[in-house]
Amino acid sequence: GAVVSQHPSWVICKSGTSVKIECRSLDFQATTMFWYRQFPKQSLMLMATSNEGSKATYEQGVEKDKFLINHASLTLSTLTVTSAHPEDSSFYICSAGKAFGGLAGADTQYFGPGTRLTVL
Amino acid sequence: KQEVTQIPAALSVPEGENLVLNCSFTDSAIYNLQWFRQDPGKGLTSLLLIQSSQREQTSGRLNASLDKSSGRSTLYIAASQPGDSATYLCAVSSSNTGKLIFGQGTTLQVKP
Repeated sequence: GAVVSQHPSWVICKSGTSVKIECRSLDFQATTMFWYRQFPKQSLMLMATSNEGSKATYEQGVEKDKFLINHASLTLSTLTVTSAHPEDSSFYICSAGKAFGGLAGADTQYFGPGTRLTVL
Repeated sequence: KQEVTQIPAALSVPEGENLVLNCSFTDSAIYNLQWFRQDPGKGLTSLLLIQSSQREQTSGRLNASLDKSSGRSTLYIAASQPGDSATYLCAVSSSNTGKLIFGQGTTLQVKP
């Protein structure tokens, strides 16, 4: 159980185009999903926190108009990289958990397999 | 601002050795600490999660300890195997919101 999938696993696109990455929790309902990016040989950096039915919360320095996040259901969150440029090339990883905050504490996060984005 | 550091950055050992990976964090007010494994080009697999009130967690050949006051955690791997070769990431959460701050990782190679 607790499987998170991402689609696509890799994508190559031309500069200026937009790319959508999907993150799905396959066997549980995820109230919260997180989006990370990882540059080669570097660690994961949190980009934004996505709660179902509400606007995403972006980390400092992350452009919300460039990285559009939608969490329309309890099993799906999408990250759209708009007008992608070569510097956006990275490994994007999502994670999902059942409950965070308040009395729920902090649930274990389950990570997706990642999406390799290459912008030419 | 919380910062997480992992030492060493890379480690190569012969099969069968016991080894220790280190993780330090600057702000001791953490909610929990987790150790993850990442294979090349893949996502993360959670290995161990230690709540702030706990001192250690064990899973098979893995043992993670937490000394919150000194801002340190160690991951002990017993009787290492070539299949343990991967990058090991330490991450701390400063609240129950689930936000994780990751270290740079230790890339482990276990030689047969």
